[in-house]
Amino acid sequence: EPEVTQTPSHQVTQMGQEVILRCVPISNHLYFYWYRQILGQKVEFLVSFYNNEISEKSEIFDDQFSVERPDGSNFTLKIRSTKLEDSAMYFCASKGLGTSTDTQYFGPGTRLTVL
Amino acid sequence: RKEVEQDPGPFNVPEGATVAFNCTYSNSASQSFFWYRQDCRKEPKLLMSVYSSGNEDGRFTAQLNRASQYISLLIRDSKLSDSATYLCVVAGGTSYGKLTFGQGTILTVHP
Repeated sequence: EPEVTQTPSHQVTQMGQEVILRCVPISNHLYFYWYRQILGQKVEFLVSFYNNEISEKSEIFDDQFSVERPDGSNFTLKIRSTKLEDSAMYFCASKGLGTSTDTQYFGPGTRLTVL
Repeated sequence: RKEVEQDPGPFNVPEGATVAFNCTYSNSASQSFFWYRQDCRKEPKLLMSVYSSGNEDGRFTAQLNRASQYISLLIRDSKLSDSATYLCVVAGGTSYGKLTFGQGTILTVHP
């Protein structure tokens, strides 16, 4: 069964450093998402991406964040200058066109720890 | 009011029990509704979509009441493997499909 993959599984970084989280969505999917979950809190939407551009973003997704689909398979989330409060689990998700409405499939996540 | 609000839990039930979770949502324009389950430190996994007519998948039954903006999940004959956090999830009216999650309800099924 096709699945969303994410790398790395765990990233430790110093405050102020840049990090890039990588995702490979399911191959025939067209909609891509990033969510985050701070430990003990709910899953929160960050951004959606379709047709090579951001289609929606949340208040969390400020100028420190960016997304890119550099080639036909990868989807990346960059945090330019990490803060302590960016420590969270980051999930990538993808959704196809013509599949069950709005069913999103999640990757296993990247645990980001900012020291 | 929270966008998606769930029973606080936690629920601790014996194997074989029936357990029900409730959820309310605030955005009347919401169009798609789901229950996901999340195991500790893992990704959310789709359990089932929820339809106005109600739907059943084995031991799991989901109901949606659009007028009351209320969603429920019933688990019959609980198994140890049902222990997880159950997430009520709502999607808005755009095709982009941003998901809004509830806080989740922790279920522990014990022998």
